[in-house]
Amino acid sequence: DAGVIQSPRHEVTEMGQEVTLRCKPISGHNSLFWYRQTMMRGLELLIYFNNNVPIDDSGMPEDRFSAKMPNASFSTLKIQPSEPRDSAVYFCASSLEGGYNEQFFGPGTRLTVL
Amino acid sequence: DQQVKQNSPSLSVQEGRISILNCDYTNSMFDYFLWYKKYPAEGPTFLISISSIKDKNEDGRFTVFLNKSAKHLSLHIVPSQPGDSAVYFCAASAVSGANNLFFGTGTRLTVIP
Repeated sequence: DAGVIQSPRHEVTEMGQEVTLRCKPISGHNSLFWYRQTMMRGLELLIYFNNNVPIDDSGMPEDRFSAKMPNASFSTLKIQPSEPRDSAVYFCASSLEGGYNEQFFGPGTRLTVL
Repeated sequence: DQQVKQNSPSLSVQEGRISILNCDYTNSMFDYFLWYKKYPAEGPTFLISISSIKDKNEDGRFTVFLNKSAKHLSLHIVPSQPGDSAVYFCAASAVSGANNLFFGTGTRLTVIP
């Protein structure tokens, strides 16, 4: 199994530019999560989907952030416009829905906004 | 507000000794707790979990202890090995939150050979 796939692995962009992060969950998993890792707050949940439907987006910091899941095998997290404080590692994770199913994480995208 | 707290950002232990990583939580609705391990340039991977109906769960060298009254859990690694050097995240979940996990800020463990 390929695991959760994220692209790009690294992204360097300038302030004001649009950034799109991509995620392919594990086949058969119907829950998908976007996290942001920072030194101050650790791993923060930004948004999660069940069966392609956004369930909780209360962690999305601002309107500049948006996420979509057009089908069961693909999700995007978009930041427009990006700011230096958005610099962080962004993780995507997937799991089977419900209960206490283990979340499997992708390798992350390291975003640097100059 | 951080509902899961790991107050020690780092810990160094000699190989062969016990490593104890601590975690505190504030939400009394949490009933399932997990530890994840993270190596550099990789995503976190699940290590061990415990339900609130238990106070201890053991898996090989790893044991998690839960003290519900103190809202505290700990991860014990015995004996510690250099390959255990990583960042360890504590996470918690509540039934009402489905599979939504709340993570701590992590503790970087260094096992010295």
